[in-house]
Amino acid sequence: GQNIDQPTEMTATEGAIVQINCTYQTSGFNGLFWYQQHAGEAPTFLSYNVLDGLEEKGRFSSFLSRSKGYSYLLLKELQMKDSASYLCAVRGNDYKLSFGAGTTVTVRA
Amino acid sequence: TAGITQAPTSQILAAGRSMTLRCTQDMRHNAMYWYRQDLGLGLRLIHYSNTAGTTGKGEVPDGYSVSRANTDDFPLTLASAVPSQTSVYFCASSGGLAGHNEQFFGPGTRLTVL
Repeated sequence: GQNIDQPTEMTATEGAIVQINCTYQTSGFNGLFWYQQHAGEAPTFLSYNVLDGLEEKGRFSSFLSRSKGYSYLLLKELQMKDSASYLCAVRGNDYKLSFGAGTTVTVRA
Repeated sequence: TAGITQAPTSQILAAGRSMTLRCTQDMRHNAMYWYRQDLGLGLRLIHYSNTAGTTGKGEVPDGYSVSRANTDDFPLTLASAVPSQTSVYFCASSGGLAGHNEQFFGPGTRLTVL
């Protein structure tokens, strides 16, 4: 089975940086995904990591350490529209995704 | 391109009644999934289909059934609804199982069972 942990809530100021951590204990690993979900909407894909290291995509970056079972999503130059839930998901050897409960980020002016 | 659509958007259902949630994608994706999302629990996989004609059970399959007669459609049926099935249901699809094949999600169906 999969056990995926991420903080429930985080608050940050507009223009700041926030780092959302995700730790996982899985029976197999075949990639890690981050999704963004605004309230009342569907999740949308943000990033994918399968090898150790940092993947950068504009204001968002995602890091993976497979040996530590650890990932983080870094959001830079925060904007009000970044207020959302961020979901960490691990794909196991069965190619199915297991999701964490999500981290709700609130950006304050 | 519509992507992935779900119907209805929301529904109130009496306990014991049956209902089918519809999901259609136009991206010719092989794999499709049904999740439920409950507060504090995140997304949980109900059923999945790796390709047309095949289906499999996810983490929480009890009380639900699916079929995959063709590539585009993946309906989810509740045979006899119970209040614990009150949830937001998301359908998703992906072009492949491995590699950089992210899942695309439909807009969701909010179901209340009374």
